[in-house]
Amino acid sequence: EAQVTQNPRYLITVTGKKLTVTCSQNMNHEYMSWYRQDPGLGLRQIYYSMNVEVTDKGDVPEGYKVSRKEKRNFPLILESPSPNQTSLYFCASSIQGYEQFFGPGTRLTVL
Amino acid sequence: GQQLNQSPQSMFIQEGEDVSMNCTSSSIFNTWLWYKQDPGEGPVLLIALYKAGELTSNGRLTAQFGITRKDSFLNISASIPSDVGIYFCAGQLGGSRLTFGEGTQLTVNP
Repeated sequence: EAQVTQNPRYLITVTGKKLTVTCSQNMNHEYMSWYRQDPGLGLRQIYYSMNVEVTDKGDVPEGYKVSRKEKRNFPLILESPSPNQTSLYFCASSIQGYEQFFGPGTRLTVL
Repeated sequence: GQQLNQSPQSMFIQEGEDVSMNCTSSSIFNTWLWYKQDPGEGPVLLIALYKAGELTSNGRLTAQFGITRKDSFLNISASIPSDVGIYFCAGQLGGSRLTFGEGTQLTVNP
């Protein structure tokens, strides 16, 4: 089954404790992206990657890092999480950036 | 950055009614997409529009890409309870960054 998977689905952590949210897709898509969703703000793009070793900033990249060492994986790294990064995070993938398929989401709470 | 204004923010309708929502932008897009998000899940693509003026249907859903390339609308005919959810428009200029509207929360009363 074609899908985008994210782990963990739920995470509660404390300020400053480094964390990684993994994203994996099995559709051989070149393009992958991370979004955060906050009430009243819709979905905002954090980072995206057009292919392996190619990443670029989205609209809200501050406080986040990404890497794309393999085509199927695109982890999101929070080196020093802060409470304003409490949000619902979605990973997405597609062929060349169009018609993006979304993962199930990761709900992060930073205390 | 680019801004998308999506309206209405919420709608409460009776089962069987038709629904219309739209998005407008201050700048042009080459692609318009409409997604639906159910509670606890990621957005699912409903319709993709690639050409100005294009009118596309997917079952009871119809969407149009505005001639000016700055707007799009989505219509749902004969709504049913499972239409409940949040509908997002998204615009794309190049093949990378998607800009999303704030969403329309749809409630359908049986």
